[in-house]
Amino acid sequence: SQTIHQWPATLVQPVGSPLSLECTVEGTSNPNLYWYRQAAGRGLQLLFYSVGIGQISSEVPQNLSASRPQDRQFILSSKKLLLSDSGFYLCAWSHGLGRPNTEAFFGQGTRLTVV
Amino acid sequence: GENVEQHPSTLSVQEGDSAVIKCTYSDSASNYFPWYKQELGKRPQLIIDIRSNVGEKKDQRIAVTLNKTAKHFSLHITETQPEDSAVYFCAASGTGGYNKLIFGAGTRLAVHP
Repeated sequence: SQTIHQWPATLVQPVGSPLSLECTVEGTSNPNLYWYRQAAGRGLQLLFYSVGIGQISSEVPQNLSASRPQDRQFILSSKKLLLSDSGFYLCAWSHGLGRPNTEAFFGQGTRLTVV
Repeated sequence: GENVEQHPSTLSVQEGDSAVIKCTYSDSASNYFPWYKQELGKRPQLIIDIRSNVGEKKDQRIAVTLNKTAKHFSLHITETQPEDSAVYFCAASGTGGYNKLIFGAGTRLAVHP
């Protein structure tokens, strides 16, 4: 069966510090991978999605970036965090190109607080 | 790109009543419409989904309807229970074959005993 791991679960970082959140998927190949952000009490905003290694699409201009160095690894990064980057970050995967549309499966989330 | 609007943003019902949440989407090529439930501090979890070749789908107390012509779909919860209290998200995907899910803003449902 497929599983998705996301870490860390919580993170407190000072303004201006770098960020690296990691997500890995097991039990499937060539998945679509996603990073969503959820501000407190708000909806799910799609930040990045990837359909393959090295292929990243950015949905919202911001100081965050994403990378996919391996088929089932997705990393969210920032060189300098802003206060507005605080939120609940969710990694997700779904079946990839050529498969029927299916649900997205979410990781446990990372609660990031920028202080 | 796809845009999904969801209403209402908050919904309060008495236990045993029905709850209805509505969503509209902009991309007529979208063909997959899942609904997620998110409890406080937890990840969203799929509760029901529908594809564009179907008009209605039921699973016990939960049902989803889809009107492709009008580009809207709805979640219906009957005989609500306090444990149904959560945030519910609709989503749409299908353009380009990349299964990219775009979510609505969410509905906070409160079921009062």
